[in-house]
This record gives sequence, structure tokens and C-alpha cells, in this order.
Amino acid sequence: DGGITQSPKYLFRKEGQNVTLSCEQNLNHDAMYWYRQDPGQGLRLIYYSQIVNDFQKGDIAEGYSVSREKKESFPLTVTSAQKNPTAFYLCASTSVSGTEYNEQFFGPGTRLTVL
Amino acid sequence: SQELEQSPQSLIVQEGKNLTINCTSSKTLYGLYWYKQKYGEGLIFLMMLQKGGEEKSHEKITAKLDEKKQQSSLHITASQPSHAGIYLCGADIAGTYKYIFGTGTRLKVLA
Repeated sequence: DGGITQSPKYLFRKEGQNVTLSCEQNLNHDAMYWYRQDPGQGLRLIYYSQIVNDFQKGDIAEGYSVSREKKESFPLTVTSAQKNPTAFYLCASTSVSGTEYNEQFFGPGTRLTVL
Repeated sequence: SQELEQSPQSLIVQEGKNLTINCTSSKTLYGLYWYKQKYGEGLIFLMMLQKGGEEKSHEKITAKLDEKKQQSSLHITASQPSHAGIYLCGADIAGTYKYIFGTGTRLKVLA
């Protein structure tokens, strides 16, 4: 079955540590996205990538980094520079070919807690 | 910048009642998407609307996009406990590969 997987589901981090969240998709989608979700604030875009080896900052990129070395993978690193990293992180992907407008497909999310 | 505003923020209804959730955009919408999310899980795609006046239905859920393409509504008929969750609207930002989302409507259905 095609879909998006995120791991781990729960992640605990000590202050000052970097952590990497995994996102893998087998939908053959070109574009991938990382969002942060906080209570009452909806989804905020962290980074997105339209194609391999290219990515752009979203609205809240500070303290985060990404890579896109393979089409199916888009890992997100939460660095120690991110002052308030406790949140629910969602990865999504979409096709950029074919129909003009395409819905995003979402992974199950990773809940990051800083201890 | 374009924003999506959803109302109400939360909704509690008795099982069997109808309900409507609204999503209003500050600019013309091109692709408007409705998603459902259960707490602590990812978003599940429900429906996409593109054309002014468009209406789509799936089971007991109907979504509409107004003629001016700035407002959408999601209507649930004869609600059931399985409809409980957070409903979010999302939209394409024209000319980019970016999407924006509303803050969500938390729905609780009392059995």
C-alpha cells in the first residue's frame, strides 16, 4: 500500500540536543512538506521541497534543517537553536504533475517533547 | 498574505443532529481542501473543491465552495460519534507549491 510513514511516533529530547524526525513516502510524489502543529494554531509550514536536492524555508524555519537526497525521503532535524520545539510534527507530500491542484497526503505525525 | 479563518472553533452536537463548519479566505481560493484529523494522528483528506459554486458529497458529508470562491462550508447530516475529530480546511497559495490551513474546528458528537 502506498503512503507516508513517519518515525518515531513519540520522541523525547533533552534541552541542547539535536533530533531527527524521519519521513518516507512511496507515492512517487515530487513535493514534500514539514508542518508543525500546536494547540489552537493549525498547521505552520517549516520547510518544503519540490524536487530532490532542493528545498525552501517555510514560515517558521528557524531552528530546523532538512535534506532531500532521495525523492522518497525528507528528514527534519530539530536543532538546539529551536527554542520551543515541543509540538506535533506532520510530514506531507503531493504530486506536482498531472492535475493543476492536488491534495496533500499526510503521515501519522511525530510528537516531540523536550524534557 | 492569504489566511483561512474557520468557524466555529469547537462544536458539540447531539448524535443525529446536522452541523455546518465554515472556512473563509482573505483572497480568492483556487484549490480548497477539507481534512479530518483525530487527536494525535495525521490528516485524512476528505474533499477538494476548485470551481465557484461547486458542491461535493461523500456519505453524509457535503462540502460547498461559494461563487466568489472565498468561502467554503462543510455540512454533516445526521452526525454520528464517528464524525468526531478536528476538521481543517486548506488551500493552495496561487503561484507557489505552498498550502495554508485554517486553525481547525473541533467536533464532539454526544451519543
